[in-house]
Amino acid sequence: DADVTQTPRNRITKTGKRIMLECSQTKGHDRMYWYRQDPGLGLRLIYYSFDVKDINKGEISDGYSVSRQAQAKFSLSLESAIPNQTALYFCATSDRRIGRTDTQYFGPGTRLTVL
Amino acid sequence: AQSVTQLGSHVSVSEGALVLLRCNYSSSVPPYLFWYVQYPNQGLQLLLKYTSAATLVKGINGFEAEFKKSETSFHLTKPSAHMSDAAEYFCAARTGGGNKLTFGTGTQLKVEL
Repeated sequence: DADVTQTPRNRITKTGKRIMLECSQTKGHDRMYWYRQDPGLGLRLIYYSFDVKDINKGEISDGYSVSRQAQAKFSLSLESAIPNQTALYFCATSDRRIGRTDTQYFGPGTRLTVL
Repeated sequence: AQSVTQLGSHVSVSEGALVLLRCNYSSSVPPYLFWYVQYPNQGLQLLLKYTSAATLVKGINGFEAEFKKSETSFHLTKPSAHMSDAAEYFCAARTGGGNKLTFGTGTQLKVEL
């Protein structure tokens, strides 16, 4: 089984709809991240969380919100989706222990299309 | 602010030829640097990382990268390309506290017969 899973893998929705993307991990890591990938722009950080009570905005958090329901679960919400949020979304995790914090492990991604 | 530049959004090589993917970073303090690979319809997989130990870093699948402080570069190489190397490659740098990563815009590698 994959260590980092994302659901759904693909989603098509309409402008104005509320969408939730979910991420779960079995790696036992306490740090989790949400990125979006756009062609020609690489990956950009949306939100990150160091533990259940520590959530931080990344470089492009406008229009998004997150929830850390448990150490293993980190959800990304689009309250009112718009077409320019069409992208590939990735969840990632890392281990806070000294010497291990530098590697992030990525899920398979969710392809979101907003019409 | 930290930035990562990948020169060449598309690189094409012949099977068996040298692969060279370029990455430059901007930082007054040497950062931790990473190369990730993304195969079609998959997530990112770590190829290798530089964390201030040896400047020549060996990774998986025969790839390696050399950290050159004087050139602020961390180019990725492989002596002989294989068809299975066709993928998108991302260079990234860890920025500041909190293990945030700044990614380059990616290089799509095509391997031709």
